[in-house]
Amino acid sequence: DSGVTQTPKHLITATGQRVTLRCSPRSGDLSVYWYQQSLDQGLQFLIQYYNGEERAKGNILERFSAQQFPDLHSELNLSSLELGDSALYFCASSPREPDTQYFGPGTRLTVL
Amino acid sequence: SQQGEEDPQALSIQEGENATMNCSYKTSINNLQWYRQNSGRGLVHLILIRSNEREKHSGRLRVTLDTSKKSSSLLITASRAADTASYFCATDARREGGSNYKLTFGKGTLLTVNP
Repeated sequence: DSGVTQTPKHLITATGQRVTLRCSPRSGDLSVYWYQQSLDQGLQFLIQYYNGEERAKGNILERFSAQQFPDLHSELNLSSLELGDSALYFCASSPREPDTQYFGPGTRLTVL
Repeated sequence: SQQGEEDPQALSIQEGENATMNCSYKTSINNLQWYRQNSGRGLVHLILIRSNEREKHSGRLRVTLDTSKKSSSLLITASRAADTASYFCATDARREGGSNYKLTFGKGTLLTVNP
């Protein structure tokens, strides 16, 4: 158990819908990272927040957005969902950057 | 494009044998990390090696780093069936023109250890 929690574990929704994935980092960790893992693209970095502020952006689509709240939990919002958005979405946290990242168990999103 | 590329893509060995996985990367790095992922689960950090280090050990794991060749290797000695997983290298490089860091993962090596 890494100490990072993600909810929900599984999410099944339809194309065009919007979902919110939630992540609680390890106690004391200020950095939160979001990743998307799919069979064809592998593990792709989406976005990083550090103490509430966006710090780095990766291959994140404009339909996706994220934020980190004052209590340091983070949410990833995915809108206008497409079939290709079906993937595992991981959140990771670290006490500072660069540093070891601790991964949550992931949210498996299925878009039908 | 991927910063780290693992080789081989898949490796199948017998229990007790050693497993070696390689990782190549393209740009200068601050450190390189290896992670392990059991099927459909979250990644677990194994070991971090800094750019000024050449070799590091942790239990049955041995990591080497050759910055001149931009490559790293992960050796798992005396493998066990429980080592069956995907192994990823991740590089942490300073982003162009800024001080922000980004961890970039390779596509991984799928290791199968047969009992």
